[in-house]
Amino acid sequence: DSGVTQTPKHLITATGQRVTLRCSPRSGDLSVYWYQQSLDQGLQFLIQYYNGEERAKGNILERFSAQQFPDLHSELNLSSLELGDSALYFCASSVAAAALNTGELFFGEGSRLTVL
Amino acid sequence: DAKTTQPTSMDCAEGRAANLPCNHSTISGNEYVYWYRQIHSQGPQYIIHGLKNNETNEMASLIITEDRKSSTLILPHATLRDTAVYYCIVRAPIYSGGGADGLTFGKGTHLIIQP
Repeated sequence: DSGVTQTPKHLITATGQRVTLRCSPRSGDLSVYWYQQSLDQGLQFLIQYYNGEERAKGNILERFSAQQFPDLHSELNLSSLELGDSALYFCASSVAAAALNTGELFFGEGSRLTVL
Repeated sequence: DAKTTQPTSMDCAEGRAANLPCNHSTISGNEYVYWYRQIHSQGPQYIIHGLKNNETNEMASLIITEDRKSSTLILPHATLRDTAVYYCIVRAPIYSGGGADGLTFGKGTHLIIQP
């Protein structure tokens, strides 16, 4: 158990809909990262938040957005869903102190999104 | 971040040592080598990381060549549960200007442990 909690574990929805994925980082971790993993793309970095603020963006679509709340949990919002958005979405967190952050990420078990 | 090259797949007999190579010929002086693995559909799991010296922990050993252009992850006594995709990643630590983005995962090596 990595200490990172993601909900829901599975989600089935229709094209055009909107969903929200939730992530609770490890206790004390200030950074949250979102990744998308589809069969043909591998693990793609989407976005990072640090202590409530956006820190870095990767290959995140404009239809997707995220935020990190004061209690440090994060939500990834996916809207106008397309068939191609079907994937595993992983959240990861990293240790709080930047001086100790050598890049070790702790991943949750993921949320599997199926768009029909 | 420096690019890495790994074999697409490897087989290893159960109980034997699994040696997974990684080439990173463009690695910079402040870049670390990290290894993660992903067991089917689970979240990636950190294994080990190192800068120059060889490293060992309860999961594996990391051997980095003297010129740092390649490394080998060693699983000393592979079990069936070690079947997974293994990712070699090179990057500088965030506190030394390594960037704020998450680790970049390539295709990795699919290690299959044979009974």
